[in-house]
Amino acid sequence: GENVEQHPSTLSVQEGDSAVIKCTYSDSASNYFPWYKQELGKGPQLIIDIRSNVGEKKDQRIAVTLNKTAKHFSLHITETQPEDSAVYFCAASQAGYSTLTFGKGTMLLVSP
Amino acid sequence: GAGVSQSPSNKVTEKGKDVELRCDPISGHTALYWYRQSLGQGLEFLIYFQGNSAPDKSGLPSDRFSAERTGGSVSTLTIQRTQQEDSAVYLCASSSGGVNQPQHFGDGTRLSIL
Repeated sequence: GENVEQHPSTLSVQEGDSAVIKCTYSDSASNYFPWYKQELGKGPQLIIDIRSNVGEKKDQRIAVTLNKTAKHFSLHITETQPEDSAVYFCAASQAGYSTLTFGKGTMLLVSP
Repeated sequence: GAGVSQSPSNKVTEKGKDVELRCDPISGHTALYWYRQSLGQGLEFLIYFQGNSAPDKSGLPSDRFSAERTGGSVSTLTIQRTQQEDSAVYLCASSSGGVNQPQHFGDGTRLSIL
């Protein structure tokens, strides 16, 4: 089965800095990679996703890159704000399947 | 429109009791998923329903866990003879169906077994 590793487990940045979270996956057949943001007491919220037919996707201050050869994908947040503080999860889904395998999460803290 | 709704939001029960957790998916979504999130951990897949197909139960950790989905909409996750290790947040998600469609989560049920 699929295995997803996520790093770092915690990340502290100053407001305005960029933040990068990295994930690797094990199954080369995986072709869908969503990122979720989870605030305390809430369910995960989908913030961006990428499919294996593209290498990069942007949405305002958020971008995701995918390297299929190396089997890793990254979340980039620019101009961080205190409200970006949350736990971020990456996930992967194998081709032909709908269930997601999640990384263990990254706690991002943005200090004013 | 309304998102995924889960109830109760919190449940405290004694070891050995049975519990039922409910999920109302987004209207029109044919796929429904249950995940479990233990403290400080990622999400662990439990079970997946898609339309009228037989559910994918491959993630259920033991035969004490079961789930059903009536009328293709509301789902109930049942844990029998609860154990302390069952304490976790149980999350439900739904999607429009098909492979690799975005999954939208509810806020979960926090289950505590005393």
